Amino acid sequence: DAKTTQPPSMDCAEGRAANLPCNHSTISGNEYVYWYRQIHSQGPQYIIHGLKNNETNEMASLIITEDRKSSTLILPHATLRDTAVYYCIVRTQGGSEKLVFGKGTKLTVNP
Amino acid sequence: EPEVTQTPSHQVTQMGQEVILRCVPISNHLYFYWYRQILGQKVEFLVSFYNNEISEKSEIFDDQFSVERPDGSNFTLKIRSTKLEDSAMYFCASSIRNNYGYTFGSGTRLTVV
Repeated sequence: DAKTTQPPSMDCAEGRAANLPCNHSTISGNEYVYWYRQIHSQGPQYIIHGLKNNETNEMASLIITEDRKSSTLILPHATLRDTAVYYCIVRTQGGSEKLVFGKGTKLTVNP
Repeated sequence: EPEVTQTPSHQVTQMGQEVILRCVPISNHLYFYWYRQILGQKVEFLVSFYNNEISEKSEIFDDQFSVERPDGSNFTLKIRSTKLEDSAMYFCASSIRNNYGYTFGSGTRLTVV
């Protein structure tokens, strides 16, 4: 699975959009981009995933560049409860079942 | 919203003792997983389980570890002879199909003394 690179930390003001970037320049055609988050020491929480089209659900939007070498997770109106470590993970459809977690981005939402 | 339930939330055990960590996955899910996170470190994959057998395991998942789905609802992780370095948060997860989003439980904190 392709390696991902994320900034170690970011800050965001409450109520504003949080845009979390992820680079995955070695991604191949059958690899999906997944986003999870981990609030304090709780279990990771699935947010969204996509292949090449932009995706939106009730939690977030995922924007994948046309060349698929990077993506951005957007939390449209961040709240204090969105403070967490956000993980961008690339995974092959039909390949290994495991999720390989990196260090992620620690997002702090400030009042 | 359906949840993955893990028990106990915290377990303290003596080195060399056997422990069993329990999980109740979401009822219609078919794929089951165990992950662990040593304090301050990354979340690490241990094992995946499908159709009543292990489908993938990591190097961490050695002969001291085993998994079982004894009754169609529970999914257990057994560590036969615990070591100090097994101290970690252990997370169970399940998914309805492979390569879909997982639902994780809230974890069991295992402390080996």
